[in-house]
Amino acid sequence: SYELTQPPSVSVSPGQTARITCSGDALPKKYAHWYQQKSGRAPVVVIYEDRKRPSAIPERFSGSKSGTMATLTISGAQVEDEGDYYCYSTDSSGNHGVFGGGTKVTVL
Amino acid sequence: QVHLVQSGADVKMPGASVRVSCKASHYTFTSYGISWVRQAPGQGLEWMGWISAYNGNTNYAQKFQGRVTMTTDTSTNTAYMELRSLKSDDTAVYYCARGTYDILTGYYELDYWGQGTLVTVSS
Repeated sequence: SYELTQPPSVSVSPGQTARITCSGDALPKKYAHWYQQKSGRAPVVVIYEDRKRPSAIPERFSGSKSGTMATLTISGAQVEDEGDYYCYSTDSSGNHGVFGGGTKVTVL
Repeated sequence: QVHLVQSGADVKMPGASVRVSCKASHYTFTSYGISWVRQAPGQGLEWMGWISAYNGNTNYAQKFQGRVTMTTDTSTNTAYMELRSLKSDDTAVYYCARGTYDILTGYYELDYWGQGTLVTVSS
């Protein structure tokens, strides 16, 4: 079955840049969306349609995509950005949604 | 403000079925679909399927085909997810989330989420 692959963890110091990658064969033709989840809460979209940012999300969050890899960048990461991040996209059949395995971001 | 309010936590025996509801408000229900996503304890997000609130069309993850049914009731703006033949590894928080799908582009973002419903499967 189709998979989106993310690194299990990323760790940065406050103010540094965190980059989280998501790779999948269908990504060249399908949107990538990114979610932040803090423990026990519902996920929140931080980037949609590869690079669009909802108005309530800080500008330090940005998205990009090249070929089979999408990237979420947190420029100048803050302690409050800690949490789990998931990419979400559509599989190669075009019929099914799929989440990446998630990346735990630590800012310390 | 868009709201998705889910039914409360439930405990089921193995082999039973569970139905989770998701009541939508403050938007035109039939203009969007609903995806169902689950998260087992300590695990990642898992997409279960999607239903169009416009015409009831569904796409189910292959893993749940034959065991899940998603429906909507447009008179009450409510979506339902029924999962049958429950096993212990179906213990999870189940979320509904608003989202759109089109056959050419695929799935758009899930922009609003319910609060989650904990389903525990235990004898």
